[in-house]
Amino acid sequence: EAGVVQSPRYKIIEKKQPVAFWCNPISGHNTLYWYRQNLGQGPELLIRYENEEAVDDSQLPKDRFSAERLKGVDSTLKIQPAELGDSAVYLCASSPGQAGETQYFGPGTRLLVL
Amino acid sequence: GQNIDQPTEMTATEGAIVQINCTYQTSGFNGLFWYQQHAGEAPTFLSYNVLDGLEEKGRFSSFLSRSKGYSYLLLKELQMKDSASYLCAGSSGGYQKVTFGTGTKLQVIP
Repeated sequence: EAGVVQSPRYKIIEKKQPVAFWCNPISGHNTLYWYRQNLGQGPELLIRYENEEAVDDSQLPKDRFSAERLKGVDSTLKIQPAELGDSAVYLCASSPGQAGETQYFGPGTRLLVL
Repeated sequence: GQNIDQPTEMTATEGAIVQINCTYQTSGFNGLFWYQQHAGEAPTFLSYNVLDGLEEKGRFSSFLSRSKGYSYLLLKELQMKDSASYLCAGSSGGYQKVTFGTGTKLQVIP
């Protein structure tokens, strides 16, 4: 069974540019998470989807970040415009049914904003 | 909200036993996860404790005390490949929101 797929794996952009990350969860997983992880820190939840509904986006900086999960499968996370402080690893994870279950993480996208 | 505390770094010797502690303060606590994360890789699931007590899985065991807001991960017969960060994460609330700690970076030395 394929795991969580993310692309791109690495991205280098200049500040003020837009950037988008894509995630394909494990087949059949209803819950999808986007996390941001800074060096030496734990993952910080940005947004959680139950199917196509965003049920927790309280920590998503909505002035520059947006996300969508069309048809309750793939998801994209966008930053526009990017700032220097957005440099981090962006992790996508999925779980089978409800939140609180074991999460399966993708390899992440390493973003460097110059 | 949740507050998760764990040591930043630990060092242990190959073949030895190490215990990584985690304390949490949270309302509506459901359970506690432990994940392993090797440098440059994604976290992978180790354990999930809901009830008090010790759960053993091979060389790894996890303990939970709900009344004390305390958990630990016990690693036995340490191997060099166990060098990684170990993330403690609490699940709370009706929506079972998971909050991660900062992680404990374990270095196993010969």
